[in-house]
Amino acid sequence: SQQGEEDPQALSIQEGENATMNCSYKTSINNLQWYRQNSGRGLVHLILIRSNEREKHSGRLRVTLDTSKKSSSLLITASRAADTASYFCATDEENSGGYQKVTFGTGTKLQVIP
Amino acid sequence: DVKVTQSSRYLVKRTGEKVFLECVQDMDHENMFWYRQDPGLGLRLIYFSYDVKMKEKGDIPEGYSVSREKKERFSLILESASTNQTSMYLCASSPGDRVLNTEAFFGQGTRLTVV
Repeated sequence: SQQGEEDPQALSIQEGENATMNCSYKTSINNLQWYRQNSGRGLVHLILIRSNEREKHSGRLRVTLDTSKKSSSLLITASRAADTASYFCATDEENSGGYQKVTFGTGTKLQVIP
Repeated sequence: DVKVTQSSRYLVKRTGEKVFLECVQDMDHENMFWYRQDPGLGLRLIYFSYDVKMKEKGDIPEGYSVSREKKERFSLILESASTNQTSMYLCASSPGDRVLNTEAFFGQGTRLTVV
């Protein structure tokens, strides 16, 4: 089963609007990350938030983390057509062997209409 | 800049063939991962490795094996390719330190079609 589940699966907004994507996960984590993927390409890291942090900003990105609800949100402010992509959350769990395992959700497909 | 290179961008193989997907990273990362990505299912972890010659099963290891003989190279092997293994395969690497600097770096992906 997927560790991370993004919501919504698809989102279409006008340029200049804000886009909010949510991610829920199941197990305890060390950190949570958001990645972006342009169509048919590899993933690019956007931002990492540690389990003891509640909010983090990077440029037009704002990420929140609520470990009690096992959820995170990614807000992209003042969206641009170039933000059109799929966005994934990823969680870093420590497995029984004490090693890092990074698992991804199903993604939110964002379309920003010029 | 970290570079993760996958040997092929597109690959077409026949059912029953043995297929090797190669991945090389140049940043001395301990951790390497293989995922497959399918529409509506996101990225699913096949195998990962935290050290040379070490490997751990991910969520969907069936039909796959891996090899990590050198730190920089992580190979995914399809022992006998089947049509349900047609997918986009993504390799990633990340530092193995425990200070939670765990950004993963991805290759461009290999789109494998099994006919």
